[in-house]
Amino acid sequence: EVQVVESGGGLVQPGGSLRLSCTGSGFSLNDYTMSWVRQAPGKGLEWVAALGGVGGSTYYADSVKGRLTVSSDNSKNTLYLQMNSLRVEDTALYYCAKQGSYDSFGFDYWGQGTLVTVSS
Amino acid sequence: SYELTQPPSVSVPPGQTASITCSGDKLRRKYVSWYQQKPGQSPELVIYQDAKRPSGIPERFSGSNSGSTATLTISGTQTVDEADYYCQVWDNNNVVFGGGTKLTVL
Repeated sequence: EVQVVESGGGLVQPGGSLRLSCTGSGFSLNDYTMSWVRQAPGKGLEWVAALGGVGGSTYYADSVKGRLTVSSDNSKNTLYLQMNSLRVEDTALYYCAKQGSYDSFGFDYWGQGTLVTVSS
Repeated sequence: SYELTQPPSVSVPPGQTASITCSGDKLRRKYVSWYQQKPGQSPELVIYQDAKRPSGIPERFSGSNSGSTATLTISGTQTVDEADYYCQVWDNNNVVFGGGTKLTVL
């Protein structure tokens, strides 16, 4: 059974750092594009970053470029999101999402999310 | 940057057909996916490649994409379909979501 499970969220002060993890089971992260998608309280979905399965290219939303970095450890089948210089507006539930076999297949598996709160 | 526009809310009586639109420049040239999100739950893929249903998604969900508008149609809408719905595309190595539509079944 395919599953993705996020962890690492918490309360952090503005300007601080946090690393989120997303561990996959039932599939190899390396074979698929994986994304981080966030949802601020009461708001819609916002894509944050993606890591391509083949070649490992990275892509970022303009709002997080230079502050957030997506990476993976294939030996642990785990995706990471290193979050630096955090801002109050980064407060959100962060989801890890697995892409289908092609970009056009949509995000077919989502985790339950991990909550990041940026506040002094 | 590319934008997708959805109506904030749609209401439909039980048993009727609900249509949720998603508009974007030359949207027909892109593949659209749709997600359902119920309160307190993670999003769930209900349509991909404009009109295909993942395994387990009821046949009452269908999709189309023409011109600059994609449409998610729910036939014979049930109370369990009450949720937020989001459209999504890839554009220039970026993922774009629509703002979401709250579907009310009453």
